[in-house]
Amino acid sequence: DAKTTQPPSMDCAEGRAANLPCNHSTISGNEYVYWYRQIHSQGPQYIIHGLKNNETNEMASLIITEDRKSSTLILPHATLRDTAVYYCIVDSGGSNYKLTFGKGTLLTVNP
Amino acid sequence: GAVVSQHPSRVICKSGTSVKIECRSLDFQATTMFWYRQFPKQSLMLMATSNEGSKATYEQGVEKDKFLINHASLTLSTLTVTSAHPEDSSFYICSARPADRKNTEAFFGQGTRLTVV
Repeated sequence: DAKTTQPPSMDCAEGRAANLPCNHSTISGNEYVYWYRQIHSQGPQYIIHGLKNNETNEMASLIITEDRKSSTLILPHATLRDTAVYYCIVDSGGSNYKLTFGKGTLLTVNP
Repeated sequence: GAVVSQHPSRVICKSGTSVKIECRSLDFQATTMFWYRQFPKQSLMLMATSNEGSKATYEQGVEKDKFLINHASLTLSTLTVTSAHPEDSSFYICSARPADRKNTEAFFGQGTRLTVV
């Protein structure tokens, strides 16, 4: 079973920030929080990951609560091309670690 | 950045035939690769873990004799769907991570859309 819980769907207006929540209350001390997204009929694409500190890259920001039991992915200025299913995954980061995908959040960015 | 290439991207085959899907890591070595299957409107389901130089590990409910996996080199894993039937029609995706790096993201192939007619 997936170790994370996400809302099934969210809507966002184009140009506005999209905030996608994820609960991972059973995360272990050595597990990171990874975010991927999957645009229709493509393989998943990496977005960002973090251990306990907040992270930012050119695509998004990741906010992790102090107790590490939840996190929020922020797309600061959503575009129509950001419409996708977003997956939050806990992962130890090892090359032989099996990733378990939950159902993710379908983010629809509306014009 | 690291790339995983999957081929073919789309295949249609007749019922009863076999189909081979290739997954290559283009600029890194991967001792482990993963194969997923995704049905419409569903999430990715892990089918098996492909281990270089040894037998693959299959998830519960996945028939090892139907889904043959070969990981003969550090950059190539293949999935062969044997005696394909219409219910095997699905989107198959592979992934891998560099063996020599820690805490790096997984890289995914583009996926293979298999249609069995």
